[in-house]
Amino acid sequence: DTGVSQDPRHKITKRGQNVTFRCDPISEHNRLYWYRQTLGQGPEFLTYFQNEAQLEKSRLLSDRFSAERPKGSFSTLEIQRTEQGDSAMYLCSVYNEQFFGPGTRLTVL
Amino acid sequence: QKEVEQDPGPLSVPEGAIVSLNCTYSNSAFQYFMWYRQYSRKGPELLMYTYSSGNKEDGRFTAQVDKSSKYISLFIRDSQPSDSATYLCAMSAGGGADGLTFGKGTHLIIQP
Repeated sequence: DTGVSQDPRHKITKRGQNVTFRCDPISEHNRLYWYRQTLGQGPEFLTYFQNEAQLEKSRLLSDRFSAERPKGSFSTLEIQRTEQGDSAMYLCSVYNEQFFGPGTRLTVL
Repeated sequence: QKEVEQDPGPLSVPEGAIVSLNCTYSNSAFQYFMWYRQYSRKGPELLMYTYSSGNKEDGRFTAQVDKSSKYISLFIRDSQPSDSATYLCAMSAGGGADGLTFGKGTHLIIQP
């Protein structure tokens, strides 16, 4: 148990639909990160929160992606108008990126 | 050229062998170096964390960093079938805001 839970673990959706993922650290951590991992690749940085402030966004995070961390605890990542290229594992990490959650696997049909 | 290069394997070795995994990188600003283990359909698990150059040992695992050559290694002694997984190297310049830059991962198979 890494102290980070993610929900759902697996999401299957049709192209064009919106999806939302949630990341819940068990204990409080100032820093929270989102990564995306496609098959056969290492995770790629998407965005970073310091408490509730989103301080950094990768160029991978297109306008269809939005992330929030409203109270500096849990975080959500929303993808609007999903595309097949969005199919990937979405990972959340905390504590200077030492602890990763189990990930949400997104499949866009 | 990607910032971090890692041979994806697969690397297959017999049980009990010493395993050597490595990564090269191009960004001289990287100061923090990590190795993660990832089982299929799971999140990465931190194995080793090293700052700057030098060696670090933890049980059967030894991490080495050679900043002059931009080369990092992970050695696994007395390898076990349960060590079969994908091993990811990751690094950052520090500060936290830019996230980690990962290699592709090396798929390791320990044959019983």
